[in-house]
Formats: sequence, structure tokens, C-alpha cells
Amino acid sequence: GEDVEQSLFLSVREGDSSVINCTYTDSSSTYLYWYKQEPGAGLQLLTYIFSNMDMKQDQRLTVLLNKKDKHLSLRIADTQTGDSAIYFCAERDTGRRALTFGSGTRLQVQP
Amino acid sequence: EPEVTQTPSHQVTQMGQEVILRCVPISNHLYFYWYRQILGQKVEFLVSFYNNEISEKSEIFDDQFSVERPDGSNFTLKIRSTKLEDSAMYFCASSDRPDSPLHFGNGTRLTVT
Repeated sequence: GEDVEQSLFLSVREGDSSVINCTYTDSSSTYLYWYKQEPGAGLQLLTYIFSNMDMKQDQRLTVLLNKKDKHLSLRIADTQTGDSAIYFCAERDTGRRALTFGSGTRLQVQP
Repeated sequence: EPEVTQTPSHQVTQMGQEVILRCVPISNHLYFYWYRQILGQKVEFLVSFYNNEISEKSEIFDDQFSVERPDGSNFTLKIRSTKLEDSAMYFCASSDRPDSPLHFGNGTRLTVT
């Protein structure tokens, strides 16, 4: 079945860029998503990218997709303490409704 | 910004009891979903629902579970005869099209004792 993998933890200093990586196994992935989860809160959609795109930028967020390597990354520029959260990568297969999530990467931003 | 709302935020129940988790999806959305996250584990898909019927379900979603849209605004997940391993955070989500991103609620934490 599909699998999505992420590193568990990332620590950066405030003002630096953060890069969170994700790999997936499904060749039929059509959509790839990044969600943010703050403590005690739900899953907040940050951004998403279609599989026919290589890059998408949205303010401080840049998503890069390498389909050949099945690698997705989320870059957060000028990381702030408010960016501290768990970031989930998720993929959706063509023709399916279900999202497959990674384990989440805990981002810690040091002041 | 419209949001998905879930009630209650925390539900404690005894093993063997039935629980109903409630969700109000975003008003113009037609596709509804339930996911769960057992503590320390991945977010897992349970079921998707469209046009008053289940469109897809996972292996987790067995006869113990059911979903319903009892009226024009609510979407519920019923868990019968709860087990300790049903303890998890349950997330409801909705989307306006089948290929649109999902918008999630804040979740209901279910604790089975």
C-alpha cells in the first residue's frame, strides 16, 4: 500500500529557513498536501501541490516536488516561534478520496 | 473563514458503550470524511461520504462503525461497543469537490476506560 515518510524532528533558530522533507511510495499520487497541527488543535491546511507541478510558492512557504525521486519538501522562510508545530505531509491517489499521511515532523523554533 | 466544527472536544466513555461524535462540515461542502489519530501514531483514514452514502472506507471502518448525515448540517460517526483501542483523536473533514483539499475540524478526543 501507499506509504509516506517524514523525519520526526527539526529544530531551527528564529529567522532561519526550515526545510521539512517527505517521501512517498505511490506512483499514482495526484495531490500532495502539507498540514500544520498546533498543540490541541486540528489539522490546518497550509498548502498543496498537484503532481504536474514542480514548485509552488505561497508567501513564506515554498513547496518543491521531485516526482522522479518521490520527494516533497516544505520550506518556511524566516521561521518564527509561531511556526512551532507538527507538520504533516499527505498524498492522495488518483481516483481515491482517502489521504495517506506521514507521521509528522515536529518543528521547534528556538528564539 | 468558514470552518469545520466538532463536538464534543473530549468524550470519555466506558468500554462497551456506544458513542456518537458530531461534526458540522463547511456549509457548501458535499464531501465528508472521518479520520482518526491514535496517540503517537499516524492520522488514518476511516471513511468518506457523499450523496448520503459511503464512497470509500478503510479496513479500520468495520461493522462497529457507522456514519450518518441526519439533517442538512450534521455529519456523525457512531462507534458501537467501544473498546480500549478505540481511544484516539477523531477528525472530521469536508471538501467542496472530490479533488479539493480537505478542511479538518479540531477533533474529538475519545477516551475509552
